[in-house]
Amino acid sequence: QQPVQSPQAVILREGEDAVINCSSSKALYSVHWYRQKHGEAPVFLMILLKGGEQKGHDKISASFNEKKQQSSLYLTASQLSYSGTYFCGTDPQAITQGGSEKLVFGKGTKLTVNP
Amino acid sequence: EPEVTQTPSHQVTQMGQEVILRCVPISNHLYFYWYRQILGQKVEFLVSFYNNEISEKSEIFDDQFSVERPDGSNFTLKIRSTKLEDSAMYFCASSGQVNYGYTFGSGTRLTVV
Repeated sequence: QQPVQSPQAVILREGEDAVINCSSSKALYSVHWYRQKHGEAPVFLMILLKGGEQKGHDKISASFNEKKQQSSLYLTASQLSYSGTYFCGTDPQAITQGGSEKLVFGKGTKLTVNP
Repeated sequence: EPEVTQTPSHQVTQMGQEVILRCVPISNHLYFYWYRQILGQKVEFLVSFYNNEISEKSEIFDDQFSVERPDGSNFTLKIRSTKLEDSAMYFCASSGQVNYGYTFGSGTRLTVV
C-alpha cells in the first residue's frame, strides 16, 4: 500500500524551514527517506525503525510516530543544495513478520529552494 | 565512496526486442534490487535478490523479466520482449543488510520504440 506524501511541492527561500510528511493507513516496519535531484539516482538520507524514533544529521532530521504510521522529514535553514524531490519508502510488511526486503515509495515531494 | 554502477546509461530498443541492463553493486553488499521510474512518477519495486535467488518480486515482474548474478559481481535485468510501456528509468540498488539504506545506481533510461 503506497504511503501518502504531503505536500506535493514546496518552494522556499534559502534559510527557511520545511516539513514533509509521509503517512500510511497501517503500521509500518520501517521508513526510509531519499532525495533525488533531476536526472540523478535517489540518494539515501536516513532510515527509521522504531516508534517514537528521531534522528538526523546536519540540518535534516526525521521522526517516526509512536504508532509507526507517520514519518516527518524536517529541513531547517534550507540551502540551495536541498532542492530536489524527496521520497519516503516504506516497508509494508507487518511488524510481526519482521519486515520485508522491498520498499513502497510515495509519489514524492518536490522541494525548490530559491536564493 | 563506493558506488553502484549501471550500464548503459541510455538504451533505445525496438518493441519486441530483448534487452539486458547491467549493474555492478557495491562489493560487500548482500541484497540487490531493481526498481523502475516512469518519467516524473514514483519509484516502483520490481525485484529483490539475495543469496543467488529472487526473494521478492512485484506484479510488474512477470515472465518477460528475469534477473541473474552470473559471476559474483554483475547483476543483470533481462526483458525478453520489450513493450512500449517498459520505457522507464531502471535503477539498480544494493544494501548491506535488511533495514539498511539502499545505494542506487545512476540508472539506465530505456526507451522502447
